[in-house]
Amino acid sequence: NAGVMQNPRHLVRRRGQEARLRCSPVKGHSHVYWYRQLPEEGLKFMVYLQKENIIDESGMPKERFSAEFPKEGPSILRIQQVVRGDSAAYFCASSRASGDNQPQHFGDGTRLSIL
Amino acid sequence: GQNIDQPTEMTATEGAIVQINCTYQTSGFNGLFWYQQHAGEAPTFLSYNVLDGLEEKGRFSSFLSRSKGYSYLLLKELQMKDSASYLCAVRDTGGFKTIFGAGTRLFVKA
Repeated sequence: NAGVMQNPRHLVRRRGQEARLRCSPVKGHSHVYWYRQLPEEGLKFMVYLQKENIIDESGMPKERFSAEFPKEGPSILRIQQVVRGDSAAYFCASSRASGDNQPQHFGDGTRLSIL
Repeated sequence: GQNIDQPTEMTATEGAIVQINCTYQTSGFNGLFWYQQHAGEAPTFLSYNVLDGLEEKGRFSSFLSRSKGYSYLLLKELQMKDSASYLCAVRDTGGFKTIFGAGTRLFVKA
């Protein structure tokens, strides 16, 4: 009964490089959400995806950031040409459905550090 | 705009009761969640309210007043392991976008 699996747990990149963060949802969950969390702050919604579809990306920067949730395989959050301000913890969550009282189950996060 | 307010920090004594308040102003409302987050770990689900009133679950209870845009999380018989951040989150109408507050850091002392 694996929960949400994120990898890597820690990722170090130099400015200008690309960062790829992976998220495998709970088995049977078809809804995936990505959040960013800065130290001492709350979770900031970035994007909501269902299989092969981006439903809401209103929280994601228009440039350099992209997300996908392919038919097969994990969801990927991709950050191109990283800058120091991208340093944060990125959490992925999944749920069975989007409505009613379905809580989101969170992964342990990926801590991204930009040198 | 979207706004969720919680106290930044609270301190309470082991065995006591603590109430963590949350006020929200959001464009839509489709339920309020409370999550617990220990430092460096994933948030874990505690409670869900969509109708006015009190939901009780063991040592944890959560209250909601939609007309006042107000909720609280009540923790009874505090234990040292309850030291964590408590996140209040409101799901927007439409069902999927969830807005999180900055969290309240609770310190439980002996």
